[in-house]
Amino acid sequence: EDQVTQSPEALRLQEGESSSLNCSYTVSGLRGLFWYRQDPGKGPEFLFTLYSAGEEKEKERLKATLTKKESFLHITAPKPEDSATYLCAAHGSGNTGKLIFGQGTTLQVKP
Amino acid sequence: GAGVSQSPSNKVTEKGKDVELRCDPISGHTALYWYRQRLGQGLEFLIYFQGNSAPDKSGLPSDRFSAERTGESVSTLTIQRTQQEDSAVYLCASSLGRREAQYFGPGTRLTVL
Repeated sequence: EDQVTQSPEALRLQEGESSSLNCSYTVSGLRGLFWYRQDPGKGPEFLFTLYSAGEEKEKERLKATLTKKESFLHITAPKPEDSATYLCAAHGSGNTGKLIFGQGTTLQVKP
Repeated sequence: GAGVSQSPSNKVTEKGKDVELRCDPISGHTALYWYRQRLGQGLEFLIYFQGNSAPDKSGLPSDRFSAERTGESVSTLTIQRTQQEDSAVYLCASSLGRREAQYFGPGTRLTVL
C-alpha cells in the first residue's frame, strides 16, 4: 500500500536555527514527490516537485532533496514567517493523478 | 492570474441534509481533484477528473458522496444525507496534467450539526 510518513510531527526552532524535515515514502515507481506549505485556515501552497533521486530544488531559505526512500526539506536560518505546516505528498501507483499526503510537520519559528 | 476558487467558504448544515460544494479551477487546467482534510489530519483523496476520461472515484468514502465536472471547468461535490463525521475542510485542486503540480483552493469548511 502506498504510504507517506513525515517526521517530526512538530518542530520548534529559534529564528536563525537551521533544521530539516523528513518525508519517508513507500510508493511503487515514484512519479513525483511534492512539498506544500499550509497556513492555518488556508489551502496548501505548492513549493516543489522532485522526480528522481539526487534531485534538489531551492526557494529562498528552503531546499528540498530526494533519495530513493526519503525526501528532506532543509530550512536555513528560518524566520518567524516560515512558521506553517509543511506537507509532503507522492503520486500514487497506477495511472492516476491522486496524491498520497503525509500528516505534515508543524513548524514554529520563534523570534 | 486567478487561482482556484471554492464556494461557499463555510457551510453549516443539519444532519441528514444534502450539501453542494463548488470548485472553479484555474483556466486551462485539465485535471481537477477533491480532497478532504479532517481536523488535525492529512489530506485524503476523494475524486479526480481528467479531461473527458472517466473520473477516478476510488477515494469516495460512501455512495452519499458524488461529484460532477462540466467539461474542463466547474466541479460540484455533493454530499447527501450528511453525517457528523462528514465535518471537515473540503479542498479542490487543479493541474495542467495528472503528473503536474496541483494548485489548491482555499477550501470549504463543512460543519454538520
